Order: sequence, then C-alpha cells, then structure tokens
Amino acid sequence: AQSVAQPEDQVNVAEGNPLTVKCTYSVSGNPYLFWYVQYPNRGLQFLLKYITGDNLVKGSYGFEAEFNKSQTSFHLKKPSALVSDSALYFCAVRDGGATNKLIFGTGTLLAVQP
Amino acid sequence: EPEVTQTPSHQVTQMGQEVILRCVPISNHLYFYWYRQILGQKVEFLVSFYNNEISEKSEIFDDQFSVERPDGSNFTLKIRSTKLEDSAMYFCASSELISGTAYEQYFGPGTRLTVT
Repeated sequence: AQSVAQPEDQVNVAEGNPLTVKCTYSVSGNPYLFWYVQYPNRGLQFLLKYITGDNLVKGSYGFEAEFNKSQTSFHLKKPSALVSDSALYFCAVRDGGATNKLIFGTGTLLAVQP
Repeated sequence: EPEVTQTPSHQVTQMGQEVILRCVPISNHLYFYWYRQILGQKVEFLVSFYNNEISEKSEIFDDQFSVERPDGSNFTLKIRSTKLEDSAMYFCASSELISGTAYEQYFGPGTRLTVT
C-alpha cells in the first residue's frame, strides 16, 4: 500500500535562512512524487515532481526537492526563505504507472518569520 | 495561466438532500479527479475519470456518489443523499496526458460542503 509521512506539523524558519520540509514515502513500485502548496482559502498548487532522472528536481518559486531512494525520502528545500513562502505544504505519492491516485501526507505548516 | 475552477465555493445542505458540486477542468486536460479533505484530516482520493468513464475509485466512493461530464467543459460530483460525515472540502483536479501518462494534477480552489 502507498503511504506518505510528513513528520513535522510545523516548521519555523527565519527569513533568508534555508528551509527543509521533510517527506518520506512507501510504494510497492516506482514512486512518482509531488509537492503541493496551499495558501489560505486557495486550492492545492503544484510545486514540483519527481518521476525519473536527476535526484534533485527544481520547481516553482525557487523550491527544489531531493529524491533519495535508499532513504525513501523526498524533502522539499529552498536556499533562502521568504515570508511569502509561509503556507501549508503537502507531499504526495503515487505508485508509478499502476494508478493515478495521489496519496497525500498530512501537511506541514511552514512559518517564515521576518 | 489556465486554472481549474469550482462552484460553488461553499454549499450548505440538510442531511438527506442531494448536492451537485461543479468543476471546470483545464481545457486540454483529459483526466479528471475528485478529492476531499475533512477538516483537520488528510486530502483523500475519491475518484478518477477518463474517456467518459470512471477509471479508479476509492472505498469512500460508494453508491451515494456519482460523477459525470455532462458537456465538453464541466465535470460534476453528485452526492445523492448527504450525511453529516460528508461535510468536507471537495477538490476537483485535472491532468493532461503526455505520451499516454498523466503526471501532475492541477487542483481547483475547492467547494466547502457543510451538511446540517
């Protein structure tokens, strides 16, 4: 069965500092991994994906994520946080070509202090 | 930039009533989905739809639920007889096919359904 874990309910970081939002996953086949961001009263906005290829993927707004197969992780990173990055971040996984169903983590609230 | 839209943004209904939630997916997308998020819980998959039929559904998607693409632009979710536990935010999503595979899904802003 597919599953996603986001171990931190909230991450606090000062503006200008690097940020990491953690995600680990479990699938039986090849993982397709995604990060989404949700701002208040808005839908889920796609940030980036890993399907295959380079383990470091770059996405919108300066975010990137590193796929680590041995640790079954897909952590979201940004070198320098902005106050406007404050939002709820969701990691999601699907089992490669076997299904289109996304399994979401519980979400991590990122709070960037000025 | 094209977006998925959903109406209404908030729907209040009485238990036992039928509701229809509406979505307009991105125009060149061929795969459509419904998810829901009960307050304080995870976003959960309900159903996916391709080529005018359900391609996959979860155990949540029982006989009370149905989906339809009534015309070339709308995608609807119907709940026949709402229960209190159907209260949730319902998200519609769509994705395009690239070489026969659907990758990222683009989500609408959601419809908050409150069943009283």
